[in-house]
Amino acid sequence: DTGVSQDPRHKITKRGQNVTFRCDPISEHNRLYWYRQTLGQGPEFLTYFQNEAQLEKSRLLSDRFSAERPKGSFSTLEIQRTEQGDSAMYLCASSWATGPNTEAFFGQGTRLTVV
Amino acid sequence: GQNIDQPTEMTATEGAIVQINCTYQTSGFNGLFWYQQHAGEAPTFLSYNVLDGLEEKGRFSSFLSRSKGYSYLLLKELQMKDSASYLCAVRSNDYKLSFGAGTTVTVRA
Repeated sequence: DTGVSQDPRHKITKRGQNVTFRCDPISEHNRLYWYRQTLGQGPEFLTYFQNEAQLEKSRLLSDRFSAERPKGSFSTLEIQRTEQGDSAMYLCASSWATGPNTEAFFGQGTRLTVV
Repeated sequence: GQNIDQPTEMTATEGAIVQINCTYQTSGFNGLFWYQQHAGEAPTFLSYNVLDGLEEKGRFSSFLSRSKGYSYLLLKELQMKDSASYLCAVRSNDYKLSFGAGTTVTVRA
């Protein structure tokens, strides 16, 4: 297992376009998290999944953001009608739900630039 | 929800010790994590505390007091490569993981 992978690593898009990011967690990890991080800040919680069920979506997240994890494995995060304020690093993390080792492992992130 | 506070910046000399404090308020506590993040890279796991007390891992130690809503990360024998952001994260009973803004540690020769 190569860890959490995210695709693409970088995305430049024009304002108003839709973008979709993919996250492949560590296999058999049943929890998957999405975060957004801007320069000088900690990761901001967006949403998370237990298997295919979305447990919570941040109240700060507008309706333009949607995430899925259809088969409880990989996940996608879609941003519709992108705005310049959406420019950030989007991080995905996965973890076991129970057991002695439940720390979250992060992917390298997708850096989004909206121009 | 969670409210997590940690200092913005700290500077220390190579070989010295630095202690990064983290205070938190949460509606249900299920563990506290410390992560290290170098500029432009993903956070990497350092330590985990769920019970009160000190956890030691080589040059890094982490302490937790649940009754005080307080943790610290202790970095000993600082090396230049320890210059990074250190993130305090709290997990609630529903397994949501929330992060503080991070503490940027600069190690000087």
